[in-house]
Amino acid sequence: GAVVSQHPSWVICKSGTSVKIECRSLDFQATTMFWYRQFPKQSLMLMATSNEGSKATYEQGVEKDKFLINHASLTLSTLTVTSAHPEDSSFYICSATGPNTGELFFGEGSRLTVL
Amino acid sequence: GENVEQHPSTLSVQEGDSAVIKCTYSDSASNYFPWYKQELGKRPQLIIDIRSNVGEKKDQRIAVTLNKTAKHFSLHITETQPEDSAVYFCAASFKAAGNKLTFGGGTRVLVKP
Repeated sequence: GAVVSQHPSWVICKSGTSVKIECRSLDFQATTMFWYRQFPKQSLMLMATSNEGSKATYEQGVEKDKFLINHASLTLSTLTVTSAHPEDSSFYICSATGPNTGELFFGEGSRLTVL
Repeated sequence: GENVEQHPSTLSVQEGDSAVIKCTYSDSASNYFPWYKQELGKRPQLIIDIRSNVGEKKDQRIAVTLNKTAKHFSLHITETQPEDSAVYFCAASFKAAGNKLTFGGGTRVLVKP
């Protein structure tokens, strides 16, 4: 199946700093990628839809100025958590639709801890 | 938008017994219903999916049923094994919306040996 890779797998940062998470489709091109956030023992909540070459579409309640999404190529989308605070600590997972069956493939996830 | 409800939130079964998880969705336009298994700290893994033109699908010990009229779908795991212990999520999407998945709340399944 298609492979989606996410980096870093975990990151610890100080409050007020910014963190960038990368999501790559390794063996296919993804015009659309999705970013999810998952708090402990909770479900995956869609944050935004990342569109190659255009602005991301954010879900209601997600601050676009805080969670910057860039999808500059067909294989890479990045999520930058700006001015991170402890409440932003979470598991961030990206996904992309595979080329054949339409199945959604997930990255490994990035665990962010903000001190 | 779409809203997916999932029950139960936790499920404990004896090894060898069956486990059933049920989900309902709100948007009648949804036409794709995948089920994911997620182990602690790992990415969700697709275990089975069903599209709206099919009422039932089976893959070895796993089966999914879909009732479009009632807008609910269920996951059935037979002959459960300890390695089936995980959190299971149902989801729904409408292809024209770009496969944007809406997830249920999850079911924590514990299979006791």
